[in-house]
Amino acid sequence: DTEVTQTPKHLVMGMTNKKSLKCEQHMGHRAMYWYKQKAKKPPELMFVYSYEKLSINESVPSRFSPECPNSSLLNLHLHALQPEDSALYLCASNLKRGTEANNEQFFGPGTRLTVL
Amino acid sequence: LAKTTQPISMDSYEGQEVNITCSHNNIATNDYITWYQQFPSQGPRFIIQGYKTKVTNEVASLFIPADRKSSTLSLPRVSLSDTAVYYCLVGMDTGRRALTFGSGTRLQVQP
Repeated sequence: DTEVTQTPKHLVMGMTNKKSLKCEQHMGHRAMYWYKQKAKKPPELMFVYSYEKLSINESVPSRFSPECPNSSLLNLHLHALQPEDSALYLCASNLKRGTEANNEQFFGPGTRLTVL
Repeated sequence: LAKTTQPISMDSYEGQEVNITCSHNNIATNDYITWYQQFPSQGPRFIIQGYKTKVTNEVASLFIPADRKSSTLSLPRVSLSDTAVYYCLVGMDTGRRALTFGSGTRLQVQP
């Protein structure tokens, strides 16, 4: 299994809703990432988990709450979002073997989020 | 973090070789150069990574001069399916430091 899966593919939510995005990989990768991408812009890093611990939070608003229940799963909990949070949310993973230089991230297809 | 500069867009024709150059004047000693490809509404896909000189794989070649202040991604004999955005990233993904996507180069391949 050499892919990263994300569910749902599409999500429409109101500003008062609580929803979650899910990401899964079974490649034994130990680093997992959340990115946000607006149309015609590059992906922006939000969070990095390394060995199931949050290692990077790029000053993301608290209405986005990441969770890494185990080495294969990554969730992004959403609460009280704003319309400007509408975007493609991408999950990625990386093998992260020791100190070896490895910038190869495997990306999922993304969740297209619309906040009304 | 090393800042990268790439052309905003490039046009080519099927069968041609395409070279996309990325400038990264403040690259650090430990930084690697990595290229990703992204099609619309899909996640980026890793193409190639290098530190110095030349790296080649089944998809592309990466040329890095001795001063490492720039790099060139070379795509041999492009096809219509190579139409995509290509991102140059400089750094090392350590889990405590992460890579930053620059604005990318939009490549349009014509028949």
